[in-house]
Amino acid sequence: QKEVEQNSGPLSVPEGAIASLNCTYSDRGSQSFFWYRQYSGKSPELIMFIYSNGDKEDGRFTAQLNKASQYVSLLIRDSQPSDSATYLCAVKLSSASKIIFGSGTRLSIRP
Amino acid sequence: KAGVTQTPRYLIKTRGQQVTLSCSPISGHRSVSWYQQTPGQGLQFLFEYFSETQRNKGNFPGRFSGRQFSNSRSEMNVSTLELGDSALYLCASSSSTGGDTEAFFGQGTRLTVV
Repeated sequence: QKEVEQNSGPLSVPEGAIASLNCTYSDRGSQSFFWYRQYSGKSPELIMFIYSNGDKEDGRFTAQLNKASQYVSLLIRDSQPSDSATYLCAVKLSSASKIIFGSGTRLSIRP
Repeated sequence: KAGVTQTPRYLIKTRGQQVTLSCSPISGHRSVSWYQQTPGQGLQFLFEYFSETQRNKGNFPGRFSGRQFSNSRSEMNVSTLELGDSALYLCASSSSTGGDTEAFFGQGTRLTVV
């Protein structure tokens, strides 16, 4: 089992709709979770950092964390074509104190 | 506040050569982590340095090494280059070690081994 799993996509969402990206992780003791956005040919850009159960909102982005289910998600409201990118979920492992990335979900917002 | 700076941005090397990549973290950040990104494997953790000490290491051969200086700048070295080392090498800077705080990436160094 991979430490951090994401559906590779592509996930196609109409403009203006809500995009929902999901991530599961295997290390039950993990405490810190990150979402990064990566445009083609660019480096990852931090979008959200969450460490408490529940929701964290920042503008059009909401991160949801459920430690009991070992699940973290990212919701993007009012999706825009500029949101088309690969979204990387990252988890700080409790066992090794390092950040491990999922393989990313490619999101495409269609006009 | 300046971001994370990686140099050079692009490199072309021949098999068997060695290469050194540089990363200057955000001012005040003491942790630098290195990652290799390839289309097939995604982002793979190489190692992390904090206060000039290697804190964590990924599953890469000994040809991959690094160091960190007293000003927190870090270098990564790859010896005896192989074709499979062609990748985007990214460094990430954070204020503390081990993923307790956000990590910010540099623009990366694109290494091509021919």
